[in-house]
Amino acid sequence: SQQGEEDPQALSIQEGENATMNCSYKTSINNLQWYRQNSGRGLVHLILIRSNEREKHSGRLRVTLDTSKKSSSLLITASRAADTASYFCATANAGKSTFGDGTTLTVKP
Amino acid sequence: NAGVMQNPRHLVRRRGQEARLRCSPMKGHSHVYWYRQLPEEGLKFMVYLQKENIIDESGMPKERFSAEFPKEGPSILRIQQVVRGDSAAYFCASSPGVGTGTYEQYFGPGTRLTVT
Repeated sequence: SQQGEEDPQALSIQEGENATMNCSYKTSINNLQWYRQNSGRGLVHLILIRSNEREKHSGRLRVTLDTSKKSSSLLITASRAADTASYFCATANAGKSTFGDGTTLTVKP
Repeated sequence: NAGVMQNPRHLVRRRGQEARLRCSPMKGHSHVYWYRQLPEEGLKFMVYLQKENIIDESGMPKERFSAEFPKEGPSILRIQQVVRGDSAAYFCASSPGVGTGTYEQYFGPGTRLTVT
């Protein structure tokens, strides 16, 4: 399996519910980033967490990082229909980022 | 401060033609990265460049693909003799440099290449 794998591949929830996506990686990292991509569009940077950080918040987003388990999670609270998108984690090491195949989130109104 | 700019946004080429994709990094950024995204997949690293230098091209196909980031002007990803399998979205990202320690990359809107 590749560096930066997201789980689940697809997630469907009702508006107002929380959505949790997980990411596992294999090698050591400098930081881990989460991105959102709306269908057919570019990537929007959501949040960066450094390897020496354990948790970070940004608005309705909460990201955790467990370097001992080589995993990260992205929690979106009180989801909205506009959160419908694909979410990718990317691990950075020596400059380049390695992306997983993403989690497709559908939030039903 | 304009973000990362890519042009064209959409590019249609016939098999055998050349495709040139351009990327202008954010102001003050000296590092550029190119990624390719096939349908229903994540982004795959292609190449990492600094001005006039290729730092890491481990993701570049061995043939037909080349990239440059000249002292002046945008970074160019060039695909010669395109084939249908080259159809994808190509994203460029830039960062201020590894010296900052964060490697945070800012992405452009992408160029969608269609080979007919």
